[in-house]
Amino acid sequence: GENVEQHPSTLSVQEGDSAVIKCTYSDSASNYFPWYKQELGKGPQLIIDIRSNVGEKKDQRIAVTLNKTAKHFSLHITETQPEDSAVYFCAASTQGGSEKLVFGKGMKLTVNP
Amino acid sequence: DVKVTQSSRYLVKRTGEKVFLECVQDMDHENMFWYRQDPGLGLRLIYFSYDVKMKEKGDIPEGYSVSREKKERFSLILESASTNQTSMYLCASSLQVWSVEQYFGPGTRLTVT
Repeated sequence: GENVEQHPSTLSVQEGDSAVIKCTYSDSASNYFPWYKQELGKGPQLIIDIRSNVGEKKDQRIAVTLNKTAKHFSLHITETQPEDSAVYFCAASTQGGSEKLVFGKGMKLTVNP
Repeated sequence: DVKVTQSSRYLVKRTGEKVFLECVQDMDHENMFWYRQDPGLGLRLIYFSYDVKMKEKGDIPEGYSVSREKKERFSLILESASTNQTSMYLCASSLQVWSVEQYFGPGTRLTVT
């Protein structure tokens, strides 16, 4: 079955710096890769997603890249702000057969003012 | 806006008690999910339902059951609560089963003593 690894588990940056979170997946059939942000006391919320027919996607200060050959995808946050502080989860989903959305273990990002 | 609500934010139960966690969504979504979130383990799927009265096991169904009598409501049942079921429980819903955004509720923190 699918296995999603996420690194690092914690990251601390200064406001204005960039942050990068990396994930690898094991199932080459995976074709959907969402990123969720979980703020303290709240449920996860989708911030960006990418499908396997696209290599990169941007939305303002966040971008996601996908390398299907290497089976890894990354979240890039530029010009970080204190409100970016949260736990970020990557996930991967397959289609056909036993569909499942498998989450990484999460990364706690702290943006210091 | 999609809204997923969970019946309790915090719950304390004793070992052996039967516990019901309720989840309601207001967007007429076909699919609903129950996850468990533990530090260092990320989100793990317990059960999901793709239609009324339909259910499928996730990765960790042991010790849990579910009920979906109405489209908007998905209940998680702990038949006989144990201390290792102390956790954060997250409910989610989506328009399709996989490869689309899942909308999460705020979570229920369950403590079993």
